[in-house]
Amino acid sequence: DGGITQSPKYLFRKEGQNVTLSCEQNLNHDAMYWYRQDPGQGLRLIYYSQIVNDFQKGDIAEGYSVSREKKESFPLTVTSAQKNPTAFYLCASSPRTVYNEQFFGPGTRLTVL
Amino acid sequence: SQQGEEDPQALSIQEGENATMNCSYKTSINNLQWYRQNSGRGLVHLILIRSNEREKHSGRLRVTLDTSKKSSSLLITASRAADTASYFCATEEETSGSRLTFGEGTQLTVNP
Repeated sequence: DGGITQSPKYLFRKEGQNVTLSCEQNLNHDAMYWYRQDPGQGLRLIYYSQIVNDFQKGDIAEGYSVSREKKESFPLTVTSAQKNPTAFYLCASSPRTVYNEQFFGPGTRLTVL
Repeated sequence: SQQGEEDPQALSIQEGENATMNCSYKTSINNLQWYRQNSGRGLVHLILIRSNEREKHSGRLRVTLDTSKKSSSLLITASRAADTASYFCATEEETSGSRLTFGEGTQLTVNP
């Protein structure tokens, strides 16, 4: 069963704590992405990776970090430096060529208490 | 700032009617894509139109692209209650590689 998975679905954290969101894909895609979505808003790109061991900042990278040690995994850490982390986080993947759709995971809703 | 801007922000229609959503963007693009999102879920790809294409169809969906006006429209014909969702356009800019820039979406409600 091919696809992209995110865990957990809901996550609560106390202010000042770091938290890591998981994203795994078995589609053999080279490129992976992390987006943030606030209520009633579109998606904003946090980080993306086009190949293993390489990643680039998106439009809102401050307060976040990522790693890409394996092709199938692209975890996102929300650090205590992120001032307003409560949001819906979406992970996506795509083949690393032009004219490609992105495949999205189900999302993780992070709430900071 | 967002590359794509959808219009209208919200649209409410009756089942069986057609729904039209528009998207405008600012820079030169390789392609424009439309995605659908049900509440609280991930996005699902609907259709991709390349910069050298003017119109594309997929089932009840029809997408147009006018690169001279930097705009696109998504038409859903004979809408159903199950079409209720948010619809986003996303552009792949010529210089951006594989990354997409999303608009803020149109919330479509189809009333039975």
